[in-house]
Order: sequence, then C-alpha cells, then structure tokens
Amino acid sequence: AQRVTQPEKLLSVFKGAPVELKCNYSYSGSPELFWYVQYSRQRLQLLLRHISRESIKGFTADLNKGETSFHLKKPFAQEEDSAMYYCALNAGGTSYGKLTFGQGTILTVHP
Amino acid sequence: NAGVTQTPKFQVLKTGQSMTLQCAQDMNHEYMSWYRQDPGMGLRLIHYSVGAGITDQGEVPNGYNVSRSTTEDFPLRLLSAAPSQTSVYFCASRLAGANNEQFFGPGTRLTVL
Repeated sequence: AQRVTQPEKLLSVFKGAPVELKCNYSYSGSPELFWYVQYSRQRLQLLLRHISRESIKGFTADLNKGETSFHLKKPFAQEEDSAMYYCALNAGGTSYGKLTFGQGTILTVHP
Repeated sequence: NAGVTQTPKFQVLKTGQSMTLQCAQDMNHEYMSWYRQDPGMGLRLIHYSVGAGITDQGEVPNGYNVSRSTTEDFPLRLLSAAPSQTSVYFCASRLAGANNEQFFGPGTRLTVL
C-alpha cells in the first residue's frame, strides 16, 4: 500500500527566507506525485505535479526516487504563500481514481 | 463551467440521523472521489468511482455509502451519523489517465452532535 508522510505539521518562516516543505512517500512502483495547496477559506487546488517539472509561484519540487522524496521548495517566501500544503501520490494503474494524501503542513510566512 | 459543486456548505446532524451530501461536476470527468479532512490527519479517501456504475472503497469507508448512476453526480450517504463523522468533506473529480489534475469542490462542514 502507498503512504505519504509530511513530517512537519507547522512551518514558520519570515518573508524572504527560503522554505522547504518535506514529503516522503512509500510505494513500490512508479508514483505520480503532486503538491496541492489550500489557502484560507478556499478549496484545494493543484500547485505542482512532478511530471511537469515546472515552477509555479516560485515553487519547485524534484522527485528523488532514491530517497523516495518530493520536497517542495521556494527560495524566497512571501506572505501570500501562507497556506496548508498537501503532498499527494497516485499509485497509477487501476488506482488512477484516487490520491493518497499526506497529513499536510501549515506554512506561515511572517512579515 | 461550474466545476465541482457540493451541497450543503454546512450541516448539523444529531447522532443517528441520516443524510446525503451532494456532489456534481460538469467537466465530464470519469473519476470522482470523496475525502474527509480532519486536523492532523490530512485528507483521507472515503469512496471513489472510476465511472458511472463503478464504485470502490477508500481508506475510511465505514458508515458511508455511495452510488454513481450518472457521470455528473456522486452523492455520499451517511447511514446513521455518529460524532466521529464530524469533519469537512470534499468531493473531487479528474479525467481518466495519468497525471491529470484533481479538481476539488468547496467542501461541506458537517457537525454531528
């Protein structure tokens, strides 16, 4: 069975500081990995997917299969980045319909 | 496109009552899912569906039923509400195939007294 672990429930940084939200996964096959974000009083929305190797709102995430990690990074945090962040894994195959989420990390960026 | 819609936004139930949370999407997505969000637990999958007439259990299915008679609708039924079902419920949908984005509804905040 697949599992996603986000070890930090809370993460606080100051504006302009680098930020890294950790995500580790457990899955024997080739995973599809995503980061979703939930801003206050809004619905969850996709931030990044590993297959795209893109940078969204200054965030990047690299899949490290050796360390089974998919950490989310941003070099200079902004106050508007304050939100709940979820790492998610899709096991693929017949499981295409469902995502397994981590516990989430609440990021607070102080002015 | 309205995307994924959920009703109601808020609901208070008494223990033992039943109710149905409604979810609809207008994007012709094959896959639909129900999650509950609890503090410190993240999102946990309740039930999901890969197409009309096909449903399967997720991580925490007990106490919930689903059906998928149309592509658009995926209602979640609480058979006999319990305080442990107090949570925020999210419906989501996505297209079939790899690496497609999952779209979420706005959520239903349910309190069971």
